[in-house]
Amino acid sequence: DTGVSQNPRHKITKRGQNVTFRCDPISEHNRLYWYRQTLGQGPEFLTYFQNEAQLEKSRLLSDRFSAERPKGSFSTLEIQRTEQGDSAMYLCASSPQQVNTGELFFGEGSRLTVL
Amino acid sequence: GQNIDQPTEMTATEGAIVQINCTYQTSGFNGLFWYQQHAGEAPTFLSYNVLDGLEEKGRFSSFLSRSKGYSYLLLKELQMKDSASYLCAARVNTDKLIFGTGTRLQVFP
Repeated sequence: DTGVSQNPRHKITKRGQNVTFRCDPISEHNRLYWYRQTLGQGPEFLTYFQNEAQLEKSRLLSDRFSAERPKGSFSTLEIQRTEQGDSAMYLCASSPQQVNTGELFFGEGSRLTVL
Repeated sequence: GQNIDQPTEMTATEGAIVQINCTYQTSGFNGLFWYQQHAGEAPTFLSYNVLDGLEEKGRFSSFLSRSKGYSYLLLKELQMKDSASYLCAARVNTDKLIFGTGTRLQVFP
């Protein structure tokens, strides 16, 4: 059984650089979510996809953030011109649509440190 | 707007019972989730309530009152491994989960 997979697990970058994270959801799940979590806080919603369609993007998300899910399978989250405030854990989650509780299954996360 | 409140920290003794409260104000509410998150790990699903009442699952129970915008997670027979953060999350419409800040529970011997 393969759960939600994220890579890289850790990324250290200098301010101003671009970074990209990848998420591979559970194969039969058609919904994919990105969350951001900082220390001592709960996950903060960023965006989500149903298949390849991006259905919602948080108003808090700046234009430097972009996410794609081109074939309705894996997804990428890109952050351009990183800032120190972008340092956080980026969590990906997937779920089957409208099945049972609709719980989210989370990956281990990608930790970003911006120097 | 969307607002979810839960205590920041709680402590309890091994073998005891602890109740973690959560209040929420969300539009399009469609269910209340509890997740457990150990430090440095991903959140894992504990329970789900969509109707008023108590859901029991082993040592863990969760309660929901939709009219009061209130839920609690009850942990019985606490074990050291229960030391973790407990996240309350409201499902909005049929879409995303909105999380609270989490309650960090420390269990002492």
